[in-house]
Amino acid sequence: DSGVTQTPKHLITATGQRVTLRCSPRSGDLSVYWYQQSLDQGLQFLIQYYNGEERAKGNILERFSAQQFPDLHSELNLSSLELGDSALYFCASSVDRTGGVDTQYFGPGTRLTVL
Amino acid sequence: SQKIEQNSEALNIQEGKTATLTCNYTNYSPAYLQWYRQDPGRGPVFLLLIRENEKEKRKERLKVTFDTTLKQSLFHITASQPADSATYLCALPPSGSARQLTFGSGTQLTVLP
Repeated sequence: DSGVTQTPKHLITATGQRVTLRCSPRSGDLSVYWYQQSLDQGLQFLIQYYNGEERAKGNILERFSAQQFPDLHSELNLSSLELGDSALYFCASSVDRTGGVDTQYFGPGTRLTVL
Repeated sequence: SQKIEQNSEALNIQEGKTATLTCNYTNYSPAYLQWYRQDPGRGPVFLLLIRENEKEKRKERLKVTFDTTLKQSLFHITASQPADSATYLCALPPSGSARQLTFGSGTQLTVLP
């Protein structure tokens, strides 16, 4: 158990809908990362938040957005869903010490199916 | 821009043998490199980190080497077991100020009994 929790585990929805995925980082971790992994594909970095602020952006679509709240949990919002958005969405957290080396701890993921 | 390549998509070996996985990178001088394990449908799990000034790192049956001249890391699993079957990912920090890791596409290892 990595200490990172994600809800829900599974989500089935229809095209055009909007969903929210939630992540709680490990106690003490300030950074949260979101990744997308489609079937048989690699991990695609979407976005990183550090202590409530956006720090880095990857290949995140404009239809997707995220935020990190004062209690450090994070939400990833996916809107106008398309069939191609079906994937596993992982959240990871890290301590993110400045100038140091960080290790990311991943949650169990949310499997999104868009029908 | 930096690029990471892991040697093959899939590797099959016999139980008891040593598995060797390769991670190559270009346009890059990383301060460290990490290896993760990912089981189907689950999140990656951190295994080992090796720094640029370390030639080799060991943890139980795992060994990682880091050759900054060749721009390559090798990941070895000795006395492999069917339970070692998984996808193994290498990850490097990006250049610049952004701190997110960049993951390779992974090598799927199958250890045959």
